[in-house]
Amino acid sequence: AQKITQTQPGMFVQEKEAVTLDCTYDTSDPSYGLFWYKQPSSGEMIFLIYQGSYDQQNATEGRYSLNFQKARKSANLVISASQLGDSAMYFCAMREGFFNDYKLSFGAGTTVTVRA
Amino acid sequence: NAGVTQTPKFQVLKTGQSMTLQCAQDMNHNSMYWYRQDPGMGLRLIYYSASEGTTDKGEVPNGYNVSRLNKREFSLRLESAAPSQTSVYFCAIQGTVAFTEAFFGQGTRLTVV
Repeated sequence: AQKITQTQPGMFVQEKEAVTLDCTYDTSDPSYGLFWYKQPSSGEMIFLIYQGSYDQQNATEGRYSLNFQKARKSANLVISASQLGDSAMYFCAMREGFFNDYKLSFGAGTTVTVRA
Repeated sequence: NAGVTQTPKFQVLKTGQSMTLQCAQDMNHNSMYWYRQDPGMGLRLIYYSASEGTTDKGEVPNGYNVSRLNKREFSLRLESAAPSQTSVYFCAIQGTVAFTEAFFGQGTRLTVV
């Protein structure tokens, strides 16, 4: 079964607008972490934001925020005030397991294209 | 990327040839991972090593072997390369503290002809 599901293969957004990227996950572990990464066309993986399963508040990092709905097992990324440099592929990832036995799984990704 | 070095960056193999992808880190992290990235399929976990001396299969381990040589190094071996193994391979590392992000190498673009 898919651990991480990203249902939007590609999205277009107008510059300066906000965009929401969907991510749902599946785990039976009580403790897990959720991550979002950006992969520009150059290919490197850039960490954006983290949400722990026990965190009470939604994570925010600058223009990035994570809309964490634990009961629905969703961890959507919101990018506010989109910039041309935000055009990239975005991956949702989940870390599960316990100390010294962690596994990190990724979704299929969403390509975001920002239009001027 | 800082802390994770992958070699080589590019490689072309003929079907049936073998090769080893090397990954080394200088961040003293316990967990190391090998992923492959294919268009439309995201990053799929091949093998991982939660700590020195342990390795486990991920989602797509067939056709690969790994060695966690020491805490710093985690290698991925293709014993008999097949065209289906044409992909971009990423090594990643992660610490044991739950909220630490994973750090990635620059990737290896492998083509099997």
